[in-house]
Amino acid sequence: NAGVTQTPKFQVLKTGQSMTLQCAQDMNHEYMSWYRQDPGMGLRLIHYSVGAGITDQGEVPNGYNVSRSTTEDFPLRLLSAAPSQTSVYFCASSPVDISYEQYFGPGTRLTVT
Amino acid sequence: DAKTTQPTSMDCAEGRAANLPCNHSTISGNEYVYWYRQIHSQGPQYIIHGLKNNETNEMASLIITEDRKSSTLILPHATLRDTAVYYCIVRVIGNQFYFGTGTSLTVIP
Repeated sequence: NAGVTQTPKFQVLKTGQSMTLQCAQDMNHEYMSWYRQDPGMGLRLIHYSVGAGITDQGEVPNGYNVSRSTTEDFPLRLLSAAPSQTSVYFCASSPVDISYEQYFGPGTRLTVT
Repeated sequence: DAKTTQPTSMDCAEGRAANLPCNHSTISGNEYVYWYRQIHSQGPQYIIHGLKNNETNEMASLIITEDRKSSTLILPHATLRDTAVYYCIVRVIGNQFYFGTGTSLTVIP
């Protein structure tokens, strides 16, 4: 199993540009989520999904959209990038069971200039 | 979900046990205690979780006090590779994970 994969690893955007961060998992996990991590801070939840066709907002959803058309994929869209969105983005997946053990991807480092 | 309080940083000598404390005085009866760690800039890694009883796995032990207001993660024989930020999270099953700033553990040779 590849686990959780994220692309790209690095990205530089100009203010106002849009882009999609890709996340895929091959563990057939129902639950997937996106976090951002700013320097010196913990992870903050952006959006999450408990299954295909179901998404919901986390702690910091503004400026981001998500969709979940398949179990495997959970892309994160930045609608109009702003410097405040410069961060490291992590995708995670977990089974919906007693442990909810989350498996994290390697992250995408995004810089908005 | 209940809030947690952890020390900002700790040191531990290599080969010794690392004991990382976490206070969660407002924890409710159906909230679990989870521990994750983040090595350098990698994605966080699950370590262990528990509800009331002490738990042990191949990575660590989790000791939860009888009143459940605090817990301790124990790495029995710390190695340099255990240097990381350790997050204590309290949540109800099905709710979301909220990561704080964690404890930065440095294992010293």
